[in-house]
Amino acid sequence: DQQVKQNSPSLSVQEGRISILNCDYTNSMFDYFLWYKKYPAEGPTFLISISSIKDKNEDGRFTVFLNKSAKHLSLHIVPSQPGDSAVYFCAASGRDSGYSTLTFGKGTMLLVSP
Amino acid sequence: SQTIHQWPATLVQPVGSPLSLECTVEGTSNPNLYWYRQAAGRGLQLLFYSVGIGQISSEVPQNLSASRPQDRQFILSSKKLLLSDSGFYLCAWSRQGNQPQHFGDGTRLSIL
Repeated sequence: DQQVKQNSPSLSVQEGRISILNCDYTNSMFDYFLWYKKYPAEGPTFLISISSIKDKNEDGRFTVFLNKSAKHLSLHIVPSQPGDSAVYFCAASGRDSGYSTLTFGKGTMLLVSP
Repeated sequence: SQTIHQWPATLVQPVGSPLSLECTVEGTSNPNLYWYRQAAGRGLQLLFYSVGIGQISSEVPQNLSASRPQDRQFILSSKKLLLSDSGFYLCAWSRQGNQPQHFGDGTRLSIL
């Protein structure tokens, strides 16, 4: 049973436009959420996180939105750049695991074309 | 600043051979340490995690094991590799509590 779901395996966006990556979760104990970016043959790089006491967190071109009632979060990248092309993973953790483990989605491959 | 080292970058091993992958973290103390596997076309699967020396939690039953002989060293081992052990293995560390995990560059393991 997948507790963190990224239903879009891939997304194509033109340079300069907005990229919106979506993630849904089922475990109501999750209260800390993260986005990672991964290039081929490299480890994931932490991008941005949000705790459940907030509904938005912004860092430069990256903004994460959290809708707790819908158990949904999204990552917005504005403006998108070709260097943003990578696989993006959503992850979640909660107090029930002492925040010691992360549950990852299967990832969404973003392709930003010039 | 903190750094995480994982080696080797690639490894080709025959079925039935042993395995030892090593991961070390610098610049922090008492980190949480993790081993993940990413099989082809799939997400990240947590294999083991450790919150302290000698403390190992296993997330999935398999023929792999992990050990933490020192505070900042995490080792993934197998006595006999299976074809299904092929994949991309990632080590990660985090501080205690509500903190992001930071990953190494991974080891591509191919079993022949």
